[in-house]
Amino acid sequence: EAQVTQNPRYLITVTGKKLTVTCSQNMNHEYMSWYRQDPGLGLRQIYYSMNVEVTDKGDVPEGYKVSRKEKRNFPLILESPSPNQTSLYFCASRDFSSYEQYFGPGTRLTVT
Amino acid sequence: AQSVAQPEDQVNVAEGNPLTVKCTYSVSGNPYLFWYVQYPNRGLQFLLKYITGDNLVKGSYGFEAEFNKSQTSFHLKKPSALVSDSALYFCAVRDTISGGYNKLIFGAGTRLAVHP
Repeated sequence: EAQVTQNPRYLITVTGKKLTVTCSQNMNHEYMSWYRQDPGLGLRQIYYSMNVEVTDKGDVPEGYKVSRKEKRNFPLILESPSPNQTSLYFCASRDFSSYEQYFGPGTRLTVT
Repeated sequence: AQSVAQPEDQVNVAEGNPLTVKCTYSVSGNPYLFWYVQYPNRGLQFLLKYITGDNLVKGSYGFEAEFNKSQTSFHLKKPSALVSDSALYFCAVRDTISGGYNKLIFGAGTRLAVHP
């Protein structure tokens, strides 16, 4: 089954404690991206990657890092989380020439 | 600036009645427009897209959307709503200015509530 998986689904952490949210897709998609979803703001892109070792900033990259060492994986790293990063996070992937994105189930992060 | 507006936070409709979820956009060049749906505790799912051609686009689950260039709108419609259509709906447009090849700009979302 074609899918995008994220882990963990729920995470409660404290300010400053480094964390990683994993994302993996099994569709051999070149393009992957991370979004955060906040009420009234819709989805905003954090980072994206057009292929292995090719990443770039989206609209709200501050406080986040990513890496793309393998085509299927695109982890999101918060080196020093802060309460304003409390949000719902989605990973998405698509074929490079396509417009249809496939989204993971989401990770709800709370930073206290 | 490029943007997507969904003017209604919530739309309420009775089951069996037609529904419309509104979307307007502002983008440079030809718009590529999309609708996604998010069910509770799930990621977004693609519903339909307009790239070119017929202004009435048909998508999944009986939904359709009408592209209106003069009004810069792309409203989502369904002739007969189901309770199971209750979800959060996002309109999106392809970003034609920033980098991020084929990046989408999403609206804030509209919650559709279909009542029995």
